[in-house]
Amino acid sequence: DGGITQSPKYLFRKEGQNVTLSCEQNLNHDAMYWYRQDPGQGLRLIYYSQIVNDFQKGDIAEGYSVSREKKESFPLTVTSAQKNPTAFYLCASSIQGFGQPQHFGDGTRLSIL
Amino acid sequence: KQEVTQIPAALSVPEGENLVLNCSFTDSAIYNLQWFRQDPGKGLTSLLLIQSSQREQTSGRLNASLDKSSGRSTLYIAASQPGDSATYLCAVPYGNNRLAFGKGNQVVVIP
Repeated sequence: DGGITQSPKYLFRKEGQNVTLSCEQNLNHDAMYWYRQDPGQGLRLIYYSQIVNDFQKGDIAEGYSVSREKKESFPLTVTSAQKNPTAFYLCASSIQGFGQPQHFGDGTRLSIL
Repeated sequence: KQEVTQIPAALSVPEGENLVLNCSFTDSAIYNLQWFRQDPGKGLTSLLLIQSSQREQTSGRLNASLDKSSGRSTLYIAASQPGDSATYLCAVPYGNNRLAFGKGNQVVVIP
């Protein structure tokens, strides 16, 4: 079955540590997205990529970094510069083009030790 | 920037009642609107996508209406069941293929 796989499901970060969240899709989608969700908040866009080797900052990119070396993969690194990283992180993908429906993974919950 | 609001933030209904969830958006020049369901600790599942040229879209017990001129969409869930308990989010595309999300309607259906 085609879909989006996020791993790990739960992740813990120590102070000063960088951690990387994995997102893989086999839907053959060109566009991929990373969102952050906090309790009682809507989803906020961190980074997105419309095509391989290209990505743009979203609304809350500070303290995060991404790469897009392969079409299927869009890993997100939460750096030590992100002072409040505890949140639920969601990855999505879509066909390229405005208004195309986005398909979501099951998320990664990041907590601070 | 497109702003999306969902009211009420939370509601509880007895099983069997119809659910009415509201979504409003500030820029009426939308391309489409998507309704999602989110279970606790899970990702988003797409329920319905309604194009700007449509007034409504139906799937089983779900019906979504769209009134662009007033900047509103409504999701109706007929004859609610305990399994409908979840958070429902609406989203509209804007800018460079971004999605603007509401904060969601958290629904509890009481058996």
